[in-house]
Amino acid sequence: GAVVSQHPSRVICKSGTSVKIECRSLDFQATTMFWYRQFPKKSLMLMATSNEGSKATYEQGVEKDKFLINHASLTLSTLTVTSAHPEDSSFYICSATRDRDGNQPQHFGDGTRLSIL
Amino acid sequence: AQTVTQSQPEMSVQEAETVTLSCTYDTSESNYYLFWYKQPPSRQMILVIRQEAYKQQNATENRFSVNFQKAAKSFSLKISDSQLGDTAMYFCAFMKDTGTASKLTFGTGTRLQVTL
Repeated sequence: GAVVSQHPSRVICKSGTSVKIECRSLDFQATTMFWYRQFPKKSLMLMATSNEGSKATYEQGVEKDKFLINHASLTLSTLTVTSAHPEDSSFYICSATRDRDGNQPQHFGDGTRLSIL
Repeated sequence: AQTVTQSQPEMSVQEAETVTLSCTYDTSESNYYLFWYKQPPSRQMILVIRQEAYKQQNATENRFSVNFQKAAKSFSLKISDSQLGDTAMYFCAFMKDTGTASKLTFGTGTRLQVTL
């Protein structure tokens, strides 16, 4: 149980385009999802916390107008990288937790490798 | 703010041997959770083990166990009978117990190589 699906797994696109990444909890309802970014050989850095039915909470330094997050249902959160540039190239990973109590571990998707040419 | 430190960028262990990965953290919180996650070359983050700070007993999951020293703010991971499939990046992570879903703060990771 506790499967999180992330799509696409890899995307290559031209500079200036927008890219949408989906994160789905397949067998549980995720009231909260998290979006992380990971640079090569580095740790995961939290970008934002996505709460179903409300606005996302962004970490300091993350541009909310560039990284649009929508958590429209209890099983789906999307991250849209708008007007992507080469510096946005990275590995993006989502995670989801099944309850609101905070005592359940986060389950991660497989990640999306974004390459902007 | 919380910080998590993993002082060993890389470790190597022979198959069937035991290895210990170090993790220290800094927090003013009294209630929190600690985790070890594994990230193999496939890049998926896999939960290895979890520890509640209020529990004195060290968590154990099969070949994986932790040495949790709350006063020292230390949370090391011991892997016994290492297997080739244990080769991966290992991240130590901290999460506040806020009563609601809370973010993870990760260490910089330790790359573990299991050799024949």
